[in-house]
Amino acid sequence: AQTVTQSQPEMSVQEAETVTLSCTYDTSESNYYLFWYKQPPSRQMILVIRQEAYKQQNATENRFSVNFQKAAKSFSLKISDSQLGDTAMYFCAFGGSNYKLTFGKGTLLTVNP
Amino acid sequence: GAVVSQHPSWVICKSGTSVKIECRSLDFQATTMFWYRQFPKQSLMLMATSNEGSKATYEQGVEKDKFLINHASLTLSTLTVTSAHPEDSSFYICSAVRTDSNQPQHFGDGTRLSIL
Repeated sequence: AQTVTQSQPEMSVQEAETVTLSCTYDTSESNYYLFWYKQPPSRQMILVIRQEAYKQQNATENRFSVNFQKAAKSFSLKISDSQLGDTAMYFCAFGGSNYKLTFGKGTLLTVNP
Repeated sequence: GAVVSQHPSWVICKSGTSVKIECRSLDFQATTMFWYRQFPKQSLMLMATSNEGSKATYEQGVEKDKFLINHASLTLSTLTVTSAHPEDSSFYICSAVRTDSNQPQHFGDGTRLSIL
């Protein structure tokens, strides 16, 4: 079974600064995806970024980028130029060959003005 | 982008009644749909996997007779909470995916269920 660990229950950052959210996982699968989802107070699940395990290049989406360390089973999310609208719960998730998602417990990020 | 519609968004009902939640993929055919449950300030927990035309596969600890899942077409899955009690109050979220595509799961907006 897969496990996903987010060791930071809460984090805060000043507007316009950079913040990194941590995530580690454990699996015996060789082909998988890793995801970061954002859940604002509306509770909508918004896909932030996706990484395919066989790709060595780290995924980026505008201000969001990941540091994927496959050997260390680490998948951190960096948010640059933080904006007030980035305030949300962030979930790291593992997706295996059966398309099931295993979520971490989440990190509540607060962006302060 | 792909859209998944979940209905209703909020339902309040009396203890002992059954509640049906619908999950529709509006612009793609979803071979697989998933149902999650989320308690306040907690993560999403997978309840079951629903494949079109076959019986749902439930995760360990989820009562299949309490949470009835039907996936009769490639665009619709339903979750029925039978004889609901206050402890069933939670936020339920569905997601849908077409397994022969390279697309990630698309989530519905969730249903807040409150049992009085």
